[in-house]
Amino acid sequence: DAGVIQSPRHEVTEMGQEVTLRCKPISGHDYLFWYRQTMMRGLELLIYFNNNVPIDDSGMPEDRFSAKMPNASFSTLKIQPSEPRDSAVYFCASSPASVNQPQHFGDGTRLSIL
Amino acid sequence: EDQVTQSPEALRLQEGESSSLNCSYTVSGLRGLFWYRQDPGKGPEFLFTLYSAGEEKEKERLKATLTKKESFLHITAPKPEDSATYLCAVQAGTALIFGKGTTLSVSS
Repeated sequence: DAGVIQSPRHEVTEMGQEVTLRCKPISGHDYLFWYRQTMMRGLELLIYFNNNVPIDDSGMPEDRFSAKMPNASFSTLKIQPSEPRDSAVYFCASSPASVNQPQHFGDGTRLSIL
Repeated sequence: EDQVTQSPEALRLQEGESSSLNCSYTVSGLRGLFWYRQDPGKGPEFLFTLYSAGEEKEKERLKATLTKKESFLHITAPKPEDSATYLCAVQAGTALIFGKGTTLSVSS
């Protein structure tokens, strides 16, 4: 079975530009999670969805960040406008249930804002 | 506040030299403790889930154990291919709270 697929794998853009990260979860998984990983703070949850509905976005750092899940097989994380401090690796993960089930991660998008 | 602390931050071993990684946690209402392996440039890969104190899980050279305050990942006779960052995470509600990981390097 295909795992979680993220695109692009790398993104380099200038400050102020809009950035869109994409994720395709594992088919049949009801939960989708967006994380950010930095050396300083490790892996942090940004937002998660259940059946395409955002449930908890308390980890989204600012209004510049937004996430959508228009259907069960696609989600986006958007940053507008981007800033250098947004540089990090962004991971998407999915799981079949909210508890007692492991989350399966994609290979991430390495974002660099110049 | 829910918190996960992993130690050591980095560990260098010779091939065949067994050791343990520690994950200490503070969480209200533990629903599960998860161990992941992360290779450079890759996403975390699931290894184990532990649910209650006293539980143990094994996979090849790895063995995970759980107490009420901490978990250990024991690595027996490691090989160079075991080199990776090992992440521990606890689940209280739906979210996973991750530690910062232990980076293991095994040299031949």
